[in-house]
Amino acid sequence: EAQVTQNPRYLITVTGKKLTVTCSQNMNHEYMSWYRQDPGLGLRQIYYSMNVEVTDKGDVPEGYKVSRKEKRNFPLILESPSPNQTSLYFCASSLRWTETYNEQFFGPGTRLTVL
Amino acid sequence: QKEVEQDPGPLSVPEGAIVSLNCTYSNSAFQYFMWYRQYSRKGPELLMYTYSSGNKEDGRFTAQVDKSSKYISLFIRDSQPSDSATYLCAGNSGYALNFGKGTSLLVTP
Repeated sequence: EAQVTQNPRYLITVTGKKLTVTCSQNMNHEYMSWYRQDPGLGLRQIYYSMNVEVTDKGDVPEGYKVSRKEKRNFPLILESPSPNQTSLYFCASSLRWTETYNEQFFGPGTRLTVL
Repeated sequence: QKEVEQDPGPLSVPEGAIVSLNCTYSNSAFQYFMWYRQYSRKGPELLMYTYSSGNKEDGRFTAQVDKSSKYISLFIRDSQPSDSATYLCAGNSGYALNFGKGTSLLVTP
């Protein structure tokens, strides 16, 4: 089944404890992206990756890192999480980024709580 | 201010009603627009895509774009309880989709 998977689905942690949320897609997609979704703010992009060689910041990159060492995986790293990073996180992928069409397939989401 | 504005609702309608969901946008550079549907505790999934001004129909769903007024609409005919979800409009911006905050829709039997 073609899909984007994320792990863990739920995570409660404490301030300052490094964590990684994994994202993997099995559709051979070039483009991958991370979003956070907050009430009243909607979906906001954190980082994106055009392909294995190109990664760049989105709208809200502060406090996050990403890595794209292989095509299928795009982990999100929080080196020192803070309570304001409590959110619902989504990984998404699309075949490639074009100017005319980009259907992004979303993962199931990771609900993160930072105490 | 977000580039895509959307009334969060909630919007509650009886089964069988015609639903109209709307967005406005400010970025003239948007070339195409999408509507995503998000069920509770799920990731968004693409519902409709339109590249230019005009209408696009798919079953009970019609997406409408008016670039002159920067207005995006989604119409749902014969709404069903299974249509209860949050609907997100989006336009392309740089290397990302710029989403509205989403409108929560409840269709009651």
